[in-house]
Amino acid sequence: ETGVTQSPTHLIKTRGQQVTLRCSSQSGHNTVSWYQQALGQGPQFIFQYYREEENGRGNFPPRFSGLQFPNYSSELNVNALELDDSALYLCASSRGGQGSEKLFFGSGTQLSVL
Amino acid sequence: GESVGLHLPTLSVQEGDNSIINCAYSNSASDYFIWYKQESGKGPQFIIDIRSNMDKRQGQRVTVLLNKTVKHLSLQIAATQPGDSAVYFCAEIPSNFGNEKLTFGTGTRLTIIP
Repeated sequence: ETGVTQSPTHLIKTRGQQVTLRCSSQSGHNTVSWYQQALGQGPQFIFQYYREEENGRGNFPPRFSGLQFPNYSSELNVNALELDDSALYLCASSRGGQGSEKLFFGSGTQLSVL
Repeated sequence: GESVGLHLPTLSVQEGDNSIINCAYSNSASDYFIWYKQESGKGPQFIIDIRSNMDKRQGQRVTVLLNKTVKHLSLQIAATQPGDSAVYFCAEIPSNFGNEKLTFGTGTRLTIIP
């Protein structure tokens, strides 16, 4: 088990709503990355936060946003939910800043948009 | 666009036999490759990694082979056990240090037959 914890584990929302997912990074890690994993697919990079600033972003629209707090925990916010946003959202932490650091993943939040 | 893909989506192996999972990548600029194991209900778990200046790396019961000429990566698992049943992903990181953005393949589901 990694030290990365995510909450909630499951969530059901309706189209058009907003959602906030939370992640606590492993002790000693200052970088958090978020990934979206659709059913039967590999995880897709959303964005990464390092020292409370966005440090790289994948091909996701602006309605996907995030925050990182001084204790390195992080939030992923998704506005105006769409049906295709239904997926497993994974948070991963790393020591960061060095490149090619090992990522440690949490168990994810399963989001269902109805 | 650049992508990481897998040759086979499913693989069944008799317990105790060796298994080989293959992966093709297309980004010649990729510098670092990782294999992850994902069990049901969990996030991806790091198995083994390899840098582009190597062609083989061994861990406990696992070996990763990298053939840069044909852009091919493989994961060999020796003496498979029931606990090896999972989905296996290869992932790559391009050579832009400081950003742990991983590009994942679709995954191969490995089933160990008792």
